[in-house]
Amino acid sequence: GEDVEQSLFLSVREGDSSVINCTYTDSSSTYLYWYKQEPGAGLQLLTYIFSNMDMKQDQRLTVLLNKKDKHLSLRIADTQTGDSAIYFCAESMGGNYQLIWGAGTKLIIKP
Amino acid sequence: DSGVTQTPKHLITATGQRVTLRCSPRSGDLSVYWYQQSLDQGLQFLIQYYNGEERAKGNILERFSAQQFPDLHSELNLSSLELGDSALYFCASSADVGGRRVPDTQYFGPGTRLTVL
Repeated sequence: GEDVEQSLFLSVREGDSSVINCTYTDSSSTYLYWYKQEPGAGLQLLTYIFSNMDMKQDQRLTVLLNKKDKHLSLRIADTQTGDSAIYFCAESMGGNYQLIWGAGTKLIIKP
Repeated sequence: DSGVTQTPKHLITATGQRVTLRCSPRSGDLSVYWYQQSLDQGLQFLIQYYNGEERAKGNILERFSAQQFPDLHSELNLSSLELGDSALYFCASSADVGGRRVPDTQYFGPGTRLTVL
């Protein structure tokens, strides 16, 4: 069946890199997404990667996709207090407009 | 600001009651999605409408229903409310372009926090 899994929490020190991991099960996924939810707010699209790509970089964000292992990661360089949020991984399947969502990883920044 | 608006922001009601949540999608977006986010269930997809028609159904209870109007705004109706229905309800919209050469990004509203007492 369709499933997206993430760790529930990640704690990092300010200035370090954060790596948030996600595994998915559907090999026919076309796009994989990272969304960010700040406290009290809605979800905001951070970045996405097409399933035929291995890596995508956007300023402090790096997305790595290992299609063989169905593993997606989001690396945030030089983590700041403003990065504190819940990060959701989601996959979309070819021809289907639904997204399958992970449970979200809460990123906690230690001073 | 995503361009998606939701009203009301907060809603407090009693068990057994019925409420209506409202969503206005981004200008030009044809698809509207409803999600429920609770502490124990995470983000759950409820239902999607496209240009007035129901397109996909997720984990939506029979006590809940939705519709999308000709002006593309959408309403989510929750009836016979139970304590467990307390949650954040999000609406998202997308352009739903054909061809699928670009991701059909969903833009989320700020949510309606429903508290059932």
